[in-house]
Amino acid sequence: QQKVQQSPESLTVSEGAMASLNCTFSDGTSNNFRWYRQHSAKGLEVLVSIFSDGEKEEGRFTAHLNRANLHVSLHIREPQPSDSAVYLCAVSLVNTGNYKYVFGAGTRLKVIA
Amino acid sequence: AQTIHQWPVAEIKAVGSPLSLGCTIKGKSSPNLYWYWQATGGTLQQLFYSITVGQVESVVQLNLSASRPKDDQFILSTEKLLLSHSGFYLCAWSLGNTLYFGEGSRLIVV
Repeated sequence: QQKVQQSPESLTVSEGAMASLNCTFSDGTSNNFRWYRQHSAKGLEVLVSIFSDGEKEEGRFTAHLNRANLHVSLHIREPQPSDSAVYLCAVSLVNTGNYKYVFGAGTRLKVIA
Repeated sequence: AQTIHQWPVAEIKAVGSPLSLGCTIKGKSSPNLYWYWQATGGTLQQLFYSITVGQVESVVQLNLSASRPKDDQFILSTEKLLLSHSGFYLCAWSLGNTLYFGEGSRLIVV
């Protein structure tokens, strides 16, 4: 059973400073990794997807994946107060039909001006 | 462009009463559809998925059921709500292997 854990639970950073969020997973055969953002119990917004070891950048969001270490991280460059939200890591092993993503509990990010 | 619409936005219901939550996807034919649930302060859990009309697979048993009566519609329901059903319900569709979520329906069971 896949387990996904995120750290820290909450994080406060100043506007413009780098924010780094971590996610560890238990199933090393996982091959799909997503970072989502959720503002105040609303729908989820996909930020960046990564499928192979290394780095993937989408605007100010960069994901790093190291499958050997069962670790994927998200780095937010020049965060702004509008980036304050809960960030969710989603991990999946893609099989036919059901893309069953297991979500972490989230990291609550607060960006202060 | 694809759009996903969930209804109602929020509901307060009594224990033992029935529930129906709906989800409609426009602009995408034959999408894979999903229901997720998030207890207050809890983790998102997948409840159901469907890859075609009339076919629904259950992932977690929570005394809920789901149906896909049309290609673009996914319904979550129960005849008798429990207090533990409270939370935030999200419908999603997938394009390739990316999930796209609706705005969610908040349910409070009293």
